[in-house]
Amino acid sequence: DVKVTQSSRYLVKRTGEKVFLECVQDMDHENMFWYRQDPGLGLRLIYFSYDVKMKEKGDIPEGYSVSREKKERFSLILESASTNQTSMYLCASNTWTGNNQPQHFGDGTRLSIL
Amino acid sequence: AQTVTQSQPEMSVQEAETVTLSCTYDTSESDYYLFWYKQPPSRQMILVIRQEAYKQQNATENRFSVNFQKAAKSFSLKISDSQLGDAAMYFCAVGSQGNLIFGKGTKLSVKP
Repeated sequence: DVKVTQSSRYLVKRTGEKVFLECVQDMDHENMFWYRQDPGLGLRLIYFSYDVKMKEKGDIPEGYSVSREKKERFSLILESASTNQTSMYLCASNTWTGNNQPQHFGDGTRLSIL
Repeated sequence: AQTVTQSQPEMSVQEAETVTLSCTYDTSESDYYLFWYKQPPSRQMILVIRQEAYKQQNATENRFSVNFQKAAKSFSLKISDSQLGDAAMYFCAVGSQGNLIFGKGTKLSVKP
């Protein structure tokens, strides 16, 4: 089975801090994704990456950056955390062998910015 | 641009009964796929069922089936013989070129 591991289930940080959310997948997937999940808004794509060192902006990239130095690891960075970034963050991955490949998700990181 | 609409924020079903969750979408892509994901409370998002848009036959996976109406851009999920473990948020998603657009979700409650 595909395993997507997010480094933290719960995280509490302070306004202005630089925050790193880490995601690792073990299936050699080309594509990796970061989503933000808020009640009533569903999942919104922040960034995705289709290869090492490659990244593409999603629907809500403002205030975030990403890093993909190795194929298995995709990091989401909040450069200067703000309270409106309090949310659930989901990482996902899939392989690029056609459109029908589902995305596999991690358990999520519930991030609180105080 | 692609959009996905789930018009039912919450649904409820009696155990052992059947429930249908609605989803409509809009896309300009000619090659796309449709997915239903389930997210139990405080647990991982998992794939329930997928449908290739070029296939007319509706997908089925055990107690889960879809009613795919391509011309109407409708993709509903039917859960038969509902079980307590089916209680979750359900998300409809449309995918192309590896990316997914999600609906806002439907929270399904199952009454014993």
